[in-house]
Amino acid sequence: EPEVTQTPSHQVTQMGQEVILRCVPISNHLYFYWYRQILGQKVEFLVSFYNNEISEKSEIFDDQFSVERPDGSNFTLKIRSTKLEDSAMYFCASNFGAGRFDTYEQYFGPGTRLTVT
Amino acid sequence: GENVEQHPSTLSVQEGDSAVIKCTYSDSASNYFPWYKQELGKRPQLIIDIRSNVGEKKDQRIAVTLNKTAKHFSLHITETQPEDSAVYFCAAYLSWKLTFGTGTRLQVTL
Repeated sequence: EPEVTQTPSHQVTQMGQEVILRCVPISNHLYFYWYRQILGQKVEFLVSFYNNEISEKSEIFDDQFSVERPDGSNFTLKIRSTKLEDSAMYFCASNFGAGRFDTYEQYFGPGTRLTVT
Repeated sequence: GENVEQHPSTLSVQEGDSAVIKCTYSDSASNYFPWYKQELGKRPQLIIDIRSNVGEKKDQRIAVTLNKTAKHFSLHITETQPEDSAVYFCAAYLSWKLTFGTGTRLQVTL
């Protein structure tokens, strides 16, 4: 069964540094998402992406964040200047499409644990 | 924006008993309601979902009910087993965005 993959599994970075988190969504999926989960807290939506454009973003997704689909398979989340409070697990997800009633299910990757020191 | 409340935050049941977790949502336009199980350090795993045109759905020991008028939905787990111990999240989908509840830590004791 195809799965969403994410790399790296754990990233440690210093405050102020840029990080890029990588995801490979399921190949025939059209919609891509990033979520984050601070340790012990709920999963929070960051951004959704379709047809090379952001569809929706949350208040968390400020100018320090950006997403890109640089080629036909990868989907990346960049944090330009990391802060201590960016430490969290970041999950990528994908699905066929929000427009079709039978394709809402989102498939989550295993996550990247980001630690900002 | 959508707001999802989830109760209880922790739930302890004996093996074989039933567990019920409840969620409410704020935006009546939300149209898809998944439930996820998350084990420590792992990704959320979809266990059951329900669309807004359905009132109830069952899959073996797991069932979900949706009351659109009251804007609440519930997860029911029957005959609980130790392996059901995990954190459970409800979520509501609207406009390309899943909004999650705060989670329920379910502990199934022997």
